[in-house]
Amino acid sequence: SQTIHQWPATLVQPVGSPLSLECTVEGTSNPNLYWYRQAAGRGLQLLFYSVGIGQISSEVPQNLSASRPQDRQFILSSKKLLLSDSGFYLCAWSATGISGANVLTFGAGSRLTVL
Amino acid sequence: GQNIDQPTEMTATEGAIVQINCTYQTSGFNGLFWYQQHAGEAPTFLSYNVLDGLEEKGRFSSFLSRSKGYSYLLLKELQMKDSASYLCAFIDSNYQLIWGAGTKLIIKP
Repeated sequence: SQTIHQWPATLVQPVGSPLSLECTVEGTSNPNLYWYRQAAGRGLQLLFYSVGIGQISSEVPQNLSASRPQDRQFILSSKKLLLSDSGFYLCAWSATGISGANVLTFGAGSRLTVL
Repeated sequence: GQNIDQPTEMTATEGAIVQINCTYQTSGFNGLFWYQQHAGEAPTFLSYNVLDGLEEKGRFSSFLSRSKGYSYLLLKELQMKDSASYLCAFIDSNYQLIWGAGTKLIIKP
């Protein structure tokens, strides 16, 4: 069966510090991978998605970046965090290909607080 | 443009039935999802509708009317563990998911 791991679960970082959130998927090949951010009272905001190694699409211009160094690894990074980067970050995967029925399976989430 | 709307919060009683509505506007539509999200946790998949009608899964059912841009999630025999946020999301013509802000469901004994 497929599993998705995301870490760290929580972190508190000072403004201007770097960020690295990591996500790995097991039990599937060539998954579509996603990074979402969830702010209180708002819908899930898609930050990045990837359909393959090295292929990253950015949905929202910001000081965050994503990389996919391996097929089942997706990393969210920042060189200098802003206060507005605080939030709940979710990694997700879906089966490869474009289909309306591709269900998203989410990781447990990473709660980031920038002080 | 695209838009999706669902109530912010609802309250229901244990053992009762509750219906959570979701309305959307889009020029292209490829299905609609419902997810459940407990506080501080990740969303988990509940249902997917692409054709009009009712899909039943145990205590949970989901309905879709494409002509009306409307869906609802029906929860029967409510249990305290059903207290959670319920997220509605539709798939647009580019196969991108457009998410609602979620409905927080509070279950009272």
